[in-house]
Amino acid sequence: DTGVSQDPRHKITKRGQNVTFRCDPISEHNRLYWYRQTLGQGPEFLTYFQNEAQLEKSRLLSDRFSAERPKGSFSTLEIQRTEQGDSAMYLCASSPTNTGELFFGEGSRLTVL
Amino acid sequence: DQQVKQNSPSLSVQEGRISILNCDYTNSMFDYFLWYKKYPAEGPTFLISISSIKDKNEDGRFTVFLNKSAKHLSLHIVPSQPGDSAVYFCAASLQGGSEKLVFGKGTKLTVNP
Repeated sequence: DTGVSQDPRHKITKRGQNVTFRCDPISEHNRLYWYRQTLGQGPEFLTYFQNEAQLEKSRLLSDRFSAERPKGSFSTLEIQRTEQGDSAMYLCASSPTNTGELFFGEGSRLTVL
Repeated sequence: DQQVKQNSPSLSVQEGRISILNCDYTNSMFDYFLWYKKYPAEGPTFLISISSIKDKNEDGRFTVFLNKSAKHLSLHIVPSQPGDSAVYFCAASLQGGSEKLVFGKGTKLTVNP
């Protein structure tokens, strides 16, 4: 399978703990995106990388959130001191172009107790 | 402030008939529009797109219409098939090279055999 892969698929954690999600994009795609989706809502943009450079961040990405893409390949999204409001599906996507045609992974579901 | 609105949470149609999914937007700076389809437990999948310089784009059974003066777009699926049953998201991107897509809340389409 050469699609976008995300790990873990599900994470249950207690409030206050740190969590990290990993995304492996399609190998030839230089653009990588993180979105968050809560129940009954559409995906909300969090951040975007072109190669290893983080070029755009949403105001949704508070200082508890940090994303990296070392070497322009895989990316990680870390949430520190998780809160119950962080419970959501975290979606990663990649793209070879800037046309908005994103290839999404299956997502990482976070539940904060 | 929801800039992309899908006012129908659900739609049910009979197999073989036409499905029409609607989307309204408020930001006149949007210049590119996309539809994504999402099956349960999967990430969204790109379906079709349209630039603001066009009023129609067709791809097989799927046609997207754009009415810029009304800030309205619609997705027509004809004929509808049971495999089209999914959540459909409308998305828009801004002029100026922003990589951010703004999604609507989605419409759940059910195609009955």
